[in-house]
Amino acid sequence: GEDVEQSLFLSVREGDSSVINCTYTDSSSTYLYWYKQEPGAGLQLLTYIFSNMDMKQDQRLTVLLNKKDKHLSLRIADTQTGDSAIYFCAESMNRDDKIIFGKGTRLHILP
Amino acid sequence: KAGVTQTPRYLIKTRGQQVTLSCSPISGHRSVSWYQQTPGQGLQFLFEYFSETQRNKGNFPGRFSGRQFSNSRSEMNVSTLELGDSALYLCASSIGPRDNEQFFGPGTRLTVL
Repeated sequence: GEDVEQSLFLSVREGDSSVINCTYTDSSSTYLYWYKQEPGAGLQLLTYIFSNMDMKQDQRLTVLLNKKDKHLSLRIADTQTGDSAIYFCAESMNRDDKIIFGKGTRLHILP
Repeated sequence: KAGVTQTPRYLIKTRGQQVTLSCSPISGHRSVSWYQQTPGQGLQFLFEYFSETQRNKGNFPGRFSGRQFSNSRSEMNVSTLELGDSALYLCASSIGPRDNEQFFGPGTRLTVL
């Protein structure tokens, strides 16, 4: 069955890099996503990666995909207080398939 | 451009009642998906509508239903409410079902007493 796992909490000092990890079980997952949810708000798509890619970089965000281990990570460089949020890893088999979400990792920024 | 709007933002109901939540997608978006978010289960997919037709459905009981209107606005209904239905219900819209980017609304916080 489809399942996405991620750790629930991560604390990082301001200015350091944050690395949020995720594992998924469905090897036929084609699209892998990272969403951000700030307090009181809905989810915002940060980035997504196709399963035939190993890495995708967008400004301070770097996504790494290890398809063999079914492991996805999101690295946030120079973490700022505004990065404090819950980050959801998600996957779907096809572009028009339902999206399966992990339970989210709460990122806490230490001063 | 206005974002996805959901009404009401907060709702308190008692067990056994029914509730209807509304979602207005971004103008031009024709696909609407609904999700239930709880601390224990995380974010779970309820259903997706496109052109007034349900395209995908998650693993929820028949008490959960939805529909989409010709203007792409969508409603979801939960009948015979249970305590476990207390959650944040999120609606997301996209241009079409093959569009990777979904835009989420702020959610409706439902509390069942």
